[in-house]
Amino acid sequence: GAGVSQSPSNKVTEKGKDVELRCDPISGHTALYWYRQSLGQGLEFLIYFQGNSAPDKSGLPSDRFSAERTGGSVSTLTIQRTQQEDSAVYLCASSLIRRDTQYFGPGTRLTVL
Amino acid sequence: GENVEQHPSTLSVQEGDSAVIKCTYSDSASNYFPWYKQELGKRPQLIIDIRSNVGEKKDQRIAVTLNKTAKHFSLHITETQPEDSAVYFCAASINGNQFYFGTGTSLTVIP
Repeated sequence: GAGVSQSPSNKVTEKGKDVELRCDPISGHTALYWYRQSLGQGLEFLIYFQGNSAPDKSGLPSDRFSAERTGGSVSTLTIQRTQQEDSAVYLCASSLIRRDTQYFGPGTRLTVL
Repeated sequence: GENVEQHPSTLSVQEGDSAVIKCTYSDSASNYFPWYKQELGKRPQLIIDIRSNVGEKKDQRIAVTLNKTAKHFSLHITETQPEDSAVYFCAASINGNQFYFGTGTSLTVIP
């Protein structure tokens, strides 16, 4: 079946602009995670959705970052007033349930000029 | 919050030798520890995971050990092959909520 998909694959934006990144998880997966991976670095946890529960936003680096998940499926990560330090690959992952195998999407490479 | 440290950052081994990557974690409540392999330009993929109710798990050439008392866990790859070359990440999680990743180990297997 289809895996996790993300769009766009690449996004170049100017400093101060807002961007929206999209994640389509595997159908039926109740858990969805967003991570950020800077060049040569590990994965930084951003936010976690489980079913219809309120998301765990503890990893969001600032109030410029927000995410939503509509209908328990598609998720959008929004970064407002982008800064150069926001440049990274943003990865989305989903799992059937918590503490289960996470399947990662291909990521969105964000470049803020 | 949880802090995961991973060592070494780079590792080179001869084909056929074993490779060991070690991680430590800080939060004793962490109970799920996956390992991911990320090849250049590709997405991370789970290769093995261990839950806190077991001390060791093995899958063919890959094994993971967990020492809850010392709060460390290790990845062991035996009979390494060139295709094992990649960056490996460990992670720790409490009940599959937030996942905290190590900084990665770049493994190179020399033919």
